[in-house]
Amino acid sequence: DAKTTQPTSMDCAEGRAANLPCNHSTISGNEYVYWYRQIHSQGPQYIIHGLKNNETNEMASLIITEDRKSSTLILPHATLRDTAVYYCIVRSDRTNAGKSTFGDGTTLTVKP
Amino acid sequence: EAQVTQNPRYLITVTGKKLTVTCSQNMNHEYMSWYRQDPGLGLRQIYYSMNVEVTDKGDVPEGYKVSRKEKRNFPLILESPSPNQTSLYFCASSPTGGDGEKLFFGSGTQLSVL
Repeated sequence: DAKTTQPTSMDCAEGRAANLPCNHSTISGNEYVYWYRQIHSQGPQYIIHGLKNNETNEMASLIITEDRKSSTLILPHATLRDTAVYYCIVRSDRTNAGKSTFGDGTTLTVKP
Repeated sequence: EAQVTQNPRYLITVTGKKLTVTCSQNMNHEYMSWYRQDPGLGLRQIYYSMNVEVTDKGDVPEGYKVSRKEKRNFPLILESPSPNQTSLYFCASSPTGGDGEKLFFGSGTQLSVL
């Protein structure tokens, strides 16, 4: 799997958009970008994923640069409950069947 | 309710005493996987299984065993636990392990080896 780089921590004001960056400069053409989050010590929760196009769901938006070397997860209106560790991973079944590794993630703190 | 169930939630044991952490999913998923999480190290994959009777090593398999005799169950076995295996463990599953699938995680097992 391609290695990802994320900032260690970020703060965001409640009600504002939280923009979490991820660098994956060695991503290959068939690798997807996935985002998960983990609240306290609970099991990680899937947020969103994409290959080339930007994606949006009820939780967040994912913006992938044209060269696919970086992406940004956007939480449009952050709440206190969005405080968590956010993980960006890249993987493909065809190149790393079954293997998936999470990095250290970004600790997002949403402040009142 | 679709879920991945791990047991026990907390486990304290002593060095060398064999233990098993169970994992079960009710979604008929083919793919299952085990991770350990340590402070500052994120989640690291221990073993994974693409289907019944098919298992493979992840990034940190030393000291662990797994088996996949049934589709729904994927137990993690520590034959001779050591203190460096003290960690938070997560089991996960997905339909086939293929592209574009999300992983469903269990609630975790906090293991302490004294």
